[in-house]
Amino acid sequence: KQEVTQIPAALSVPEGENLVLNCSFTDSAIYNLQWFRQDPGKGLTSLLLIQSSQREQTSGRLNASLDKSSGRSTLYIAASQPGDSATYLCAANSGGGADGLTFGKGTHLIIQP
Amino acid sequence: DAGITQSPRHKVTETGTPVTLRCHQTENHRYMYWYRQDPGHGLRLIHYSYGVKDTDKGEVSDGYSVSRSKTEDFLLTLESATSSQTSVYFCAISDAQNYGYTFGSGTRLTVV
Repeated sequence: KQEVTQIPAALSVPEGENLVLNCSFTDSAIYNLQWFRQDPGKGLTSLLLIQSSQREQTSGRLNASLDKSSGRSTLYIAASQPGDSATYLCAANSGGGADGLTFGKGTHLIIQP
Repeated sequence: DAGITQSPRHKVTETGTPVTLRCHQTENHRYMYWYRQDPGHGLRLIHYSYGVKDTDKGEVSDGYSVSRSKTEDFLLTLESATSSQTSVYFCAISDAQNYGYTFGSGTRLTVV
């Protein structure tokens, strides 16, 4: 059974810093890996989707990498802003159906103004 | 989220009453899912559908049933609501090509 771990569970940094969120998964047989953002009381917003054949994806100040062989993914946030404060969730995707998404417990990120 | 809507957004109901939550998509995606999110447990899969009238159980399906009579609609029913079903319920969709997931905005259900 796939297990996903996110480290750290919480992170607080001053505005402007670059930071890295880590995600590890136990089963490398994945279709893709998806990073989400969740604001308090809100739904999940997809940030980046990396297919198993890809090494990284970029969107604005966000860059996500995937290393299937080591079972790891990282989310890099450049020049952090207070608006980046949220919980970031990593999810390993084994395909459609019940074995689809396995979520980590998230990293709660606070960017201090 | 664009292409997927959940209703109602909030609901308070009494123990023992039936409750139906609705998920509607305009993306024509094959797969639809119902998750619940609780503190300390994260997101857990309740039921999913892989086509019209094709559904199956997820990790926490006891006390829930689902139906999908049209591609665009996926209903989650609590047959007899209990306080342990107080939660935030999320619907999600994915296609059969890149398997990227899109989530709805959620339904906050309180059973009193």
